[in-house]
Amino acid sequence: GDSVTQMEGPVTLSEEAFLTINCTYTATGYPSLFWYVQYPGEGLQLLLKATKADDKGSNKGFEATYRKETTSFHLEKGSVQVSDSAVYFCALRTGGTSYGKLTFGQGTILTVHP
Amino acid sequence: GAVVSQHPSWVICKSGTSVKIECRSLDFQATTMFWYRQFPKQSLMLMATSNEGSKATYEQGVEKDKFLINHASLTLSTLTVTSAHPEDSSFYICSARDTPPSGGLNTGELFFGEGSRLTVL
Repeated sequence: GDSVTQMEGPVTLSEEAFLTINCTYTATGYPSLFWYVQYPGEGLQLLLKATKADDKGSNKGFEATYRKETTSFHLEKGSVQVSDSAVYFCALRTGGTSYGKLTFGQGTILTVHP
Repeated sequence: GAVVSQHPSWVICKSGTSVKIECRSLDFQATTMFWYRQFPKQSLMLMATSNEGSKATYEQGVEKDKFLINHASLTLSTLTVTSAHPEDSSFYICSARDTPPSGGLNTGELFFGEGSRLTVL
């Protein structure tokens, strides 16, 4: 079945540090890939997405590239801020009758200190 | 983006009672909604897929009689936790698929509600 594996957290960084959160996946067919962010006490918000190989999703300074050869979708940001502290989820979605069903990774807690 | 609202955002109830959580798409019609459960410091687990006007499709291991899902209109799905027990305490999140008028099966964006935290005493 489909699965998503994220690097284990928590990740603690100082403000303006470089961020990488690794994400690899296993899926049949050609999934769409997503990063969601969950701020404390809130629901999930879509951060970025990529729907086919070599696509790069970007938003709010975050980037991730869909790498089919390595089945990866690592999240990066060049300079994190305290406001980026949240839980980040990598997810995939396949098509067909299962369209819309997301498979999530376990989430990575990010804490950014001033 | 489109807005999905859940109500209540948090609820505390006694063991043995039933609790209903609503998920509404505020500015779009959603033929399909999804219910997830999130345990503390863990990922989201899909519980069921709710389709307007038909029975929900439950994931393996989810008790249908325990978690009743109703999708009576294109903008509302409800999750009722029946005879709740402390182990049902969790964060429940819904998502709704915004299907374009001309869209087919593989179209539409997903939007998440803010979640509902259930605590059963």
